[in-house]
Amino acid sequence: DSGVTQTPKHLITATGQRVTLRCSPRSGDLSVYWYQQSLDQGLQFLIQYYNGEERAKGNILERFSAQQFPDLHSELNLSSLELGDSALYFCASSARPGQGLAGELFFGEGSRLTVL
Amino acid sequence: EDQVTQSPEALRLQEGESSSLNCSYTVSGLRGLFWYRQDPGKGPEFLFTLYSAGEEKEKERLKATLTKKESFLHITAPKPEDSATYLCAVQALGAAGNKLTFGGGTRVLVKP
Repeated sequence: DSGVTQTPKHLITATGQRVTLRCSPRSGDLSVYWYQQSLDQGLQFLIQYYNGEERAKGNILERFSAQQFPDLHSELNLSSLELGDSALYFCASSARPGQGLAGELFFGEGSRLTVL
Repeated sequence: EDQVTQSPEALRLQEGESSSLNCSYTVSGLRGLFWYRQDPGKGPEFLFTLYSAGEEKEKERLKATLTKKESFLHITAPKPEDSATYLCAVQALGAAGNKLTFGGGTRVLVKP
């Protein structure tokens, strides 16, 4: 158990719809990362938040948005869903600077999104 | 743009048959190279961090090595429980945040 909690585990929805994925990082971790994993693209970095502020942005579509709340949980919002958005969405957290190993991300078990 | 390429895509081994996985990378400046293990239906799990060419790290039957262009993950006398997808990732110097760029992974199946 990594200590990172993601909900829901599975989600089936239709094209054009909007969904929200939720992540609670490990206790004490300030950074939250979102990654998308699909069969043909591998693990793709979407966005990182640190203590409520956006820190780094990857290949995140304009239809997607994220935020980190004061209690440090994070939400990834996916809108106008397309068939190609079907994937596993992982959240990860990392230890505060100076603690833990660099590059050691703790991943949740993912949210599997199926768009029909 | 940072790039990570892993080979082979899949590897089938007999229990006890040692082998190596390759991770080739292109990055403007390397802050670190990381190996993760991912079991089916689970999130990736951290294994190693390597910082500079010549560095080696070991954990049980796994040993990771690093050169200026690639990293190898050696699996010595593997057991069925070593079956997993092994992911390599790089972090670039000056990269915003702690962004990791992952390779496509190598799926390893160890048969008893």
